[in-house]
Amino acid sequence: GQQVKQSSPSLTVQEGGISILNCDYENDMFDYFAWYKKYPDNSPTLLISVRSNVDKREDGRLTVFLNKSGKHFSLHITASQPEDTAVYLCAAGEGGGSNYKLTFGKGTLLTVTP
Amino acid sequence: GALVYQYPRRTICKSGTSMRMECQAVGFQATSVAWYRQSPQKTFELIALSTVNSAIKYEQNFTQEKFPISHPNLSFSSMTVLNAYLEDRGLYLCGARDTPSGNTLYFGEGSRLIVV
Repeated sequence: GQQVKQSSPSLTVQEGGISILNCDYENDMFDYFAWYKKYPDNSPTLLISVRSNVDKREDGRLTVFLNKSGKHFSLHITASQPEDTAVYLCAAGEGGGSNYKLTFGKGTLLTVTP
Repeated sequence: GALVYQYPRRTICKSGTSMRMECQAVGFQATSVAWYRQSPQKTFELIALSTVNSAIKYEQNFTQEKFPISHPNLSFSSMTVLNAYLEDRGLYLCGARDTPSGNTLYFGEGSRLIVV
């Protein structure tokens, strides 16, 4: 089954509001958690990430929350803007060196309406 | 900054023929390259991980015989889809890591395979 799940394929938020994107995972070996942003016909780009020893990380309007016991992490985008409209992919990583593996969710399409 | 160029962006190939895609890292050394496929159902599947000076590791359901990969140096990798059929269609993405201990993947823009 899917090891990394984004249960909401889409989310619509009004400009200025908070966008909350969620991700659940199954594998206890994941120790790295990331959010990538993807515009149509563009490559996924890393937005923000945390390692498993941290439960929260802020970067400007972005905050990642990690709940290890619940196997869940989320991305909060404050003061959402129309330019934030894109597909957001969560990803979880395990291993290192030549054994490193990053597993992605299917993505959530965030639409920020003016 | 780290950039990854991937080409071709789109290929239409006849069923049973092959498609080769290339991935070029610019501005950093791609110590490892991960090849993914995004299916029409949107699932991102890891095909294989190629690390310089290590054997290429293929995920379950993907084989070297079907998806041969070359990673001859720290700036270039290529993958071929041999004998492509309908189930092989999708967006193929290469993601490169700049250090053996790094977690960030820098992605190319993807090569879309359409099989007719």
